[in-house]
Amino acid sequence: AQSVSQHNHHVILSEAASLELGCNYSYGGTVNLFWYVQYPGQHLQLLLKYFSGDPLVKGIKGFEAEFIKSKFSFNLRKPSVQWSDTAEYFCAVTPTDSWGKLQFGAGTQVVVTP
Amino acid sequence: DAGVTQSPTHLIKTRGQQVTLRCSPKSGHDTVSWYQQALGQGPQFIFQYYEEEERQRGNFPDRFSGHQFPNYSSELNVNALLLGDSALYLCASSPSRASTTYGYTFGSGTRLTVV
Repeated sequence: AQSVSQHNHHVILSEAASLELGCNYSYGGTVNLFWYVQYPGQHLQLLLKYFSGDPLVKGIKGFEAEFIKSKFSFNLRKPSVQWSDTAEYFCAVTPTDSWGKLQFGAGTQVVVTP
Repeated sequence: DAGVTQSPTHLIKTRGQQVTLRCSPKSGHDTVSWYQQALGQGPQFIFQYYEEEERQRGNFPDRFSGHQFPNYSSELNVNALLLGDSALYLCASSPSRASTTYGYTFGSGTRLTVV
């Protein structure tokens, strides 16, 4: 069965620190990959997505993610976080032939301290 | 502004009752999906509607049903409510032609509490 695993449930770091959130998926076929962010009190927003091509994708607000097919991973990174990056981050996967059935990870709560 | 509108924002129901949640997709989108997000968990796919038909369904019982109207808006109905149905219900929309290559737009959700 398809599954998505996020490595950390909670991350606390200081402003200007680097952030890396791990995401691994289990699926035998070709997938599309997403990172969504949910700021406190707000709706889920798309950070970035990967469908094909360059495995290093850049998203909004300075985030990037790297797809490593051999490791079934899609890790999210940001070189220097800000207090405003405090949010919950979700990795999501959908098979390319599934037409929109997103499988989400459990999420990682990130707290950035001033 | 999420672009996807959900109503109501909060709802309290008693066990055994029935509830209807509503969603208006983003302008230009004709495909609507529903997700359940329990506290501390990621969203779980319930089902997806396109051209007024259920196209895909997740692992949810028949108590969960839906409908899509000609204007692409959608309803989620849950019958015989259980305490475990308490969750945030999210609606997501997408333009169907690009569904497999598009990042779905989510609404702010309806918080359902079953007591």
